Amino acid sequence: GDSVTQMEGPVTLSEEAFLTINCTYTATGYPSLFWYVQYPGEGLQLLLKATKADDKGSNKGFEATYRKETTSFHLEKGSVQVSDSAVYFCALSAPGGSYIPTFGRGTSLIVHP
Amino acid sequence: GAGVSQSPSNKVTEKGKDVELRCDPISGHTALYWYRQRLGQGLEFLIYFQGNSAPDKSGLPSDRFSAERTGESVSTLTIQRTQQEDSAVYLCASSPGSAGANVLTFGAGSRLTVL
Repeated sequence: GDSVTQMEGPVTLSEEAFLTINCTYTATGYPSLFWYVQYPGEGLQLLLKATKADDKGSNKGFEATYRKETTSFHLEKGSVQVSDSAVYFCALSAPGGSYIPTFGRGTSLIVHP
Repeated sequence: GAGVSQSPSNKVTEKGKDVELRCDPISGHTALYWYRQRLGQGLEFLIYFQGNSAPDKSGLPSDRFSAERTGESVSTLTIQRTQQEDSAVYLCASSPGSAGANVLTFGAGSRLTVL
């Protein structure tokens, strides 16, 4: 079945550091890929998405590129802020899974001043 | 409504009791999903509704779990004879349809603690 694998956290960085959170996937067919973010005390919300190979999703300084050849969708940000501290979830939606989104385990990011 | 609303936000119950968790999706969203998030774990799919029918209930962990949706709106997740392993945050999400690139809007969750 469909699955998403994320790097384990927590990821701890200093403010203005470069961030990468790895995400790889297994899916039947051509999935759409998503990153959701869960800030402390809040519900999950969409951060960015990409629907086909080589698409780049971007929002709030975060980027992720849909790499079909490596089945990856790594999240990056050039300079993190304390306010980016949250849990980040990689997800996919694929026809083989009736488009029901499958989520990774989440990666906690802690940014220190 | 403006967002997905879940109630109660927090529920503490004794082992063996039944609980009901409610979800009010965004008005007009035909697809509704329930997920479970145990402490330190990812999101575990429970059940999906398209309109009032549930084409996929494959994630329900046992026959103690059931869910319904009425009026293409409110959904209720019921857990009978709760067990300690049912302790988790139960998340509801809705989307305009069920196509591949649909974005889910999540509620804040219902935290269930079974003593």
